[in-house]
Amino acid sequence: AQKVTQAQTEISVVEKEDVTLDCVYETRDTTYYLFWYKQPPSGELVFLIRRNSFDEQNEISGRYSWNFQKSTSSFNFTITASQVVDSAVYFCALKEDNFNKFYFGSGTKLNVKP
Amino acid sequence: DGGITQSPKYLFRKEGQNVTLSCEQNLNHDAMYWYRQDPGQGLRLIYYSQIVNDFQKGDIAEGYSVSREKKESFPLTVTSAQKNPTAFYLCASSKRLGSYEQYFGPGTRLTVT
Repeated sequence: AQKVTQAQTEISVVEKEDVTLDCVYETRDTTYYLFWYKQPPSGELVFLIRRNSFDEQNEISGRYSWNFQKSTSSFNFTITASQVVDSAVYFCALKEDNFNKFYFGSGTKLNVKP
Repeated sequence: DGGITQSPKYLFRKEGQNVTLSCEQNLNHDAMYWYRQDPGQGLRLIYYSQIVNDFQKGDIAEGYSVSREKKESFPLTVTSAQKNPTAFYLCASSKRLGSYEQYFGPGTRLTVT
């Protein structure tokens, strides 16, 4: 079974629209970490955010915001007033405290058109 | 500037040839990782190393080999036994194995024909 599911394969929006990228995870651990990474066309993964399982407080960073809900095992990412530079593949990832590996979702490709 | 370098960015090989992908880090990190990325899929772990002269298989190690003779370097060899070697390969490092912060290199796109 997939530990991290990103059901949206590809999303296209027009600049200035808001867009939400979904992430659903599965774990039995009580302590775990969730991540979002951005992969622009250059290929390198850029770290965006980390949340631990004890901190359900939502976070906002500029045009980015994250909604962490343990009740639904979701960690969704919203970009407000999207820009062309936001076009990239976005990965959600999970790390369980007792294991050394990261589980990555399959990624959501975001296309922001001018 | 501290970071991870992978070279080359693009690599082309003929089927049946072994090829080695380079990964170097100057972050003084103990742990290093190799991932493979295929279109429409997430990253899958090939090998990881928590310290010099030690490495462990990840989820898809078949057809790959690694070495960790120096802390800074973790080269990956894609052997002729790897049935579908064409992919994007990402190297990462973290302070220690299990750290929740991983830093990624720019990746190498390998094409085997």
